[in-house]
Amino acid sequence: NAGVTQTPKFQVLKTGQSMTLQCAQDMNHNSMYWYRQDPGMGLRLIYYSASEGTTDKGEVPNGYNVSRLNKREFSLRLESAAPSQTSVYFCASRRQGAVNTEAFFGQGTRLTVV
Amino acid sequence: QKEVEQNSGPLSVPEGAIASLNCTYSDRGSQSFFWYRQYSGKSPELIMSIYSNGDKEDGRFTAQLNKASQYVSLLIRDSQPSDSATYLCAVNESGGYQKVTFGTGTKLQVIP
Repeated sequence: NAGVTQTPKFQVLKTGQSMTLQCAQDMNHNSMYWYRQDPGMGLRLIYYSASEGTTDKGEVPNGYNVSRLNKREFSLRLESAAPSQTSVYFCASRRQGAVNTEAFFGQGTRLTVV
Repeated sequence: QKEVEQNSGPLSVPEGAIASLNCTYSDRGSQSFFWYRQYSGKSPELIMSIYSNGDKEDGRFTAQLNKASQYVSLLIRDSQPSDSATYLCAVNESGGYQKVTFGTGTKLQVIP
């Protein structure tokens, strides 16, 4: 049971390039999340998807787009990367309907924009 | 913006002592609270969840919740060097949403 799988694990982009971070979960969870983590800033929510077909903005959505492709997959796209988007990105999933359930995290993607 | 506040630390405790980690939150309607542990370079992993006022114990860990004071804490008894990590407090926002907000984390150092 793989849990939450993110690809790639590391990426270096030049300013202005685009890329998509992939996330897939095999736990049949309805809710999925994208967070970024910067030193001293904790985990900040970029976008989340409460269920297949819905997405909502989090705390820091500017410069990002998301797609909930199906129940398993939730991708994060950077259309024109900026150095301020250098960060560690975590995808997470969670069972919907019971707000007491924990979120499970992927292993993270370390993105550097130069 | 609903907030979750933690002291960033580092909190240094000697091996065998009790470590006390604290968290306050602004959303009075929040019902679910989580403590995650994150080792350097790794992803967060759940330590405890709590949603009723009072204490919840699991081995060396005790989570405490006081909704009236909007305060949640984590106690680690008999602290071990392997407990050295960053501890993240997370709160499920009210309103029927699945939105989970994290604090900035407290770095714990257990000194052998």
